[in-house]
Order: sequence, then structure tokens, then C-alpha cells
Amino acid sequence: GEDVEQSLFLSVREGDSSVINCTYTDSSSTYLYWYKQEPGAGLQLLTYIFSNMDMKQDQRLTVLLNKKDKHLSLRIADTQTGDSAIYFCADHLPGYSTLTFGKGTMLLVSP
Amino acid sequence: DSGVTQTPKHLITATGQRVTLRCSPRSGDLSVYWYQQSLDQGLQFLIQYYNGEERAKGNILERFSAQQFPDLHSELNLSSLELGDSALYFCASSVSVQNTGELFFGEGSRLTVL
Repeated sequence: GEDVEQSLFLSVREGDSSVINCTYTDSSSTYLYWYKQEPGAGLQLLTYIFSNMDMKQDQRLTVLLNKKDKHLSLRIADTQTGDSAIYFCADHLPGYSTLTFGKGTMLLVSP
Repeated sequence: DSGVTQTPKHLITATGQRVTLRCSPRSGDLSVYWYQQSLDQGLQFLIQYYNGEERAKGNILERFSAQQFPDLHSELNLSSLELGDSALYFCASSVSVQNTGELFFGEGSRLTVL
């Protein structure tokens, strides 16, 4: 089955850029997503990218997709302490009605 | 607030017991998904219902079952509980059956099995 992998932990200083990486195994993924989970809360969609795109920018967020390497990244510019959370990468395969999630990357932003 | 409501928020029970987790989806959403989140397994898809019908099954144990009622709320039943069932159980909803859009997650029900 599909496998989505992420590094488990990232620590940055406030004001720096954060880059969270994700790899997936199935090249037929149609949509790829980034979800954010704040402490004590459910997951919330941050952004997504369609598989025919290489890049998507949304304010401080930049998503890069390398289909050849099956690699997805999320860059957060000017990272703030409020960005501290767990970030999940997920993908959607055609014909499936569910998403496959990675295990999540915990981002810790220190002042 | 995602609009998805889950109850109870916390539940502590003993091995061998049975519990029911409840989910009310966002208004207008016909699809309900159940996920289990644990430290070692991450977020695992359990089961999906669409408008009362089961649509997809993931890594759901035979001891677990779910249903979606005519008012679209859903219940996840966990029986013969084991220590390893301790986890955070999330419900999510979406408008359509083919999820190429956004999933809206509840805040989860934390189950502790002692």
C-alpha cells in the first residue's frame, strides 16, 4: 500500500524559515496535502497541491512538489512561535476516498 | 472550530470493556471518516461512511465497528478493549464521497485502557 514518510522533529528559531519534508511511494497521487495539528486540537488543512503543479505559494507557506523523486516539502517563512505544531503530509490516490497520512513532523519554534 | 463534534473528549476504561465514541459531522457533510492516532502508528484510517453506507475500510480491527445513522452522526464501537487500543480517535467529515478536498477533523476522543 501507499507509504508516506516524514521526519519526526524539527526545531527552529523564531524568524527563521522552516522546511518540512515528506516522501511518498505511489506516483499516481493526485493531490498532496499539508495538515496542521495544534496541541489538544484536531487536524486542520493548511494547504494542498495538485499533482500537475511544481509549486504553490500561499502567504508565508510555499509547497514544492518533485514528482520524479516523489518528494513534497512545506516551507514556512518567518516562522513564529504560533507555528509550533505537528505538521502532517497526506496524499490522495485516484479511486480511493481516503487520504494516507504520514506520522507527522513536530515543529518547535523557540523565541 | 471545524464544525465536527466528538464525544466524549476523554475516556478511561479497563481491559475487556466496550466503549462507544460519537461523532456529529459538519452540517451538510455526508461523509464521515474515523482515524486512530497513536505515537507509534501515526494517523491510521479506520473506516469511512457516506450517507449511511460503509464506503471504505482501512486498518480496522474486527473488535471495532462503526455505523452512520440517518441524521448522519456516526458511532465507533470498540469492544474487548486491550491496552494497545489506547489512542486518540478522530472523526473527520467531508462533503463528498471521493475526498479530493478538505477533511474537517473533530478534536478527538482520547481513550485510555488500563
